[in-house]
Amino acid sequence: DAKTTQPTSMDCAEGRAANLPCNHSTISGNEYVYWYRQIHSQGPQYIIHGLKNNETNEMASLIITEDRKSSTLILPHATLRDTAVYYCIVRDPGTASKLTFGTGTRLQVTL
Amino acid sequence: GAVVSQHPSRVICKSGTSVKIECRSLDFQATTMFWYRQFPKKSLMLMATSNEGSKATYEQGVEKDKFLINHASLTLSTLTVTSAHPEDSSFYICSANPPTGTYEQYFGPGTRLTVT
Repeated sequence: DAKTTQPTSMDCAEGRAANLPCNHSTISGNEYVYWYRQIHSQGPQYIIHGLKNNETNEMASLIITEDRKSSTLILPHATLRDTAVYYCIVRDPGTASKLTFGTGTRLQVTL
Repeated sequence: GAVVSQHPSRVICKSGTSVKIECRSLDFQATTMFWYRQFPKKSLMLMATSNEGSKATYEQGVEKDKFLINHASLTLSTLTVTSAHPEDSSFYICSANPPTGTYEQYFGPGTRLTVT
């Protein structure tokens, strides 16, 4: 799997949008971008995934650049419960299914 | 979304004993499950891929005789930590792939193992 680069930590005020960047410059054509998050002492939670088009669901939006070398996860109105470590992972779902976790971004949402 | 459970959620055992952790897919069948280990303030590290009806595939550096994996049914995989030592104390997490056609991987809530 291609590697990703994320900032170590970010802060966001409650109610504001949280924009979490991810670089994946070596992503290949068949690899999707996945985002998971892990709240302290819990298992990771799937958030969203995309290939090349922007995606939105009830949790977040995913913006992927045209060259697919980077993406941004957007939490439109962050709450305290969104405080977690966010992992950006690239993976080809058609081949090996294992996920390789990097260090992620620790998002702290504050009052 | 699909649900994956783990049991127990927390276990304390004495050094030298063995501990079994169960991972269940509650509302779907999973031919493949994964076991991860996570040390404090670190990321998840894949230990092994559990395949229903066949031997597990271990990642480099993971001792297969120490971490026994059994995937006897389409809804259950077990991880047994044999002859546990304090350095095996960690957060163990399993995950499972839903049936073909979906892309998400669903994770269990994790098991906190403390070896004294």
